[in-house]
Amino acid sequence: DAGVTQSPTHLIKTRGQQVTLRCSPKSGHDTVSWYQQALGQGPQFIFQYYEEEERQRGNFPDRFSGHQFPNYSSELNVNALLLGDSALYLCASSGWGAGTDTQYFGPGTRLTVL
Amino acid sequence: RKEVEQDPGPFNVPEGATVAFNCTYSNSASQSFFWYRQDCRKEPKLLMSVYSSGNEDGRFTAQLNRASQYISLLIRDSKLSDSATYLCVVNNGSGTYKYIFGTGTRLKVLA
Repeated sequence: DAGVTQSPTHLIKTRGQQVTLRCSPKSGHDTVSWYQQALGQGPQFIFQYYEEEERQRGNFPDRFSGHQFPNYSSELNVNALLLGDSALYLCASSGWGAGTDTQYFGPGTRLTVL
Repeated sequence: RKEVEQDPGPFNVPEGATVAFNCTYSNSASQSFFWYRQDCRKEPKLLMSVYSSGNEDGRFTAQLNRASQYISLLIRDSKLSDSATYLCVVNNGSGTYKYIFGTGTRLKVLA
């Protein structure tokens, strides 16, 4: 049973560029949440996707956008990258439709903005 | 006041010791509570959910005190492999789906 997968594992970008991160949820899960984790901090909620729609959003600017596909996989897009966007980006899946809100995390994408 | 607060530590304890972490939360309407474990540069992994009645899994015991709005994690007979950061997580429910994480408590078990 495959767990949550994310790609790429590492990414280096320069300020002003755009980036797309990808996530495939755990088998049987239909809900994907994205988190940003800066060094020494706990993960911060970016947004959650369910039934291909953004269901809830945290305190992140519009530069952060996402998408969920019919197969439940998801993308996180960040435009106009800033140095402060350097962080570990975590995807978590859950089976909301199955009544399970417990979230399971992927290995993350480490983004460095130079 | 932060929504979820934890003592960042580090807690340095000898092998075999018992160690306890507390975590306080600000929203009295919070409904779901979890402890996650995170190893250095890895993803958080679910350690245990925390129920009103408390729950135990081997050497780990979690408890919830709704009146005082805190949850606790007790680790007995600490092992070197328990060294990690322990994240307290609260889901406020009531139409909100996001997990709110504490900053984590760092534990180092010493030989």
